[in-house]
Amino acid sequence: GAGVSQSPRYKVAKRGQDVALRCDPISGHVSLFWYQQALGQGPEFLTYFQNEAQLDKSGLPSDRFFAERPEGSVSTLKIQRTQQEDSAVYLCASSLDRNNGYTFGSGTRLTVV
Amino acid sequence: KQEVTQIPAALSVPEGENLVLNCSFTDSAIYNLQWFRQDPGKGLTSLLLIQSSQREQTSGRLNASLDKSSGRSTLYIAASQPGDSATYLCAVREGATNKLIFGTGTLLAVQP
Repeated sequence: GAGVSQSPRYKVAKRGQDVALRCDPISGHVSLFWYQQALGQGPEFLTYFQNEAQLDKSGLPSDRFFAERPEGSVSTLKIQRTQQEDSAVYLCASSLDRNNGYTFGSGTRLTVV
Repeated sequence: KQEVTQIPAALSVPEGENLVLNCSFTDSAIYNLQWFRQDPGKGLTSLLLIQSSQREQTSGRLNASLDKSSGRSTLYIAASQPGDSATYLCAVREGATNKLIFGTGTLLAVQP
């Protein structure tokens, strides 16, 4: 597609519920990144894929967070047993290669109540 | 650990004024630096990308400079317009990890 597509746009989850956030990167983009943005802050790195390989997951805040990209295109970020502190905007970005910049999606705003 | 700082945190200017946003980073081992714009409730829109070997990039009324050795970048906006009102974020791409490390942004308001 023309841009990075994320769904859902908004998600309200009850505390303890599992959620799955989807990212559809730009076709042909090898690298895919997930970021978490709290209100009033800059985005914070969560995890990074190159094709289907998850090369870095050092930013995932706990073992309740899990990301996958099984066929090297669409990626899913899953959060198990959601907590209130998980409320944030989750941004996905893709990049063709290191000489090109990141292109971000519009994000998924997760609110845990 | 790479840290990115943006000054000022907020800025309000009258329409037509030229302005400069500042970004500094602690580790000069970067691959490139990217300036983004974020409107309320929206994702990030890329404005300019400067490779580590470059000194500046221009797009329309925007000009970004990079001084890698001193760990600084500036975004210059000429003849500001109310439509420029947004949060401006700078981010450095680490050479070793490929991650983007963001500053906390500058909230710009251009008054008509």
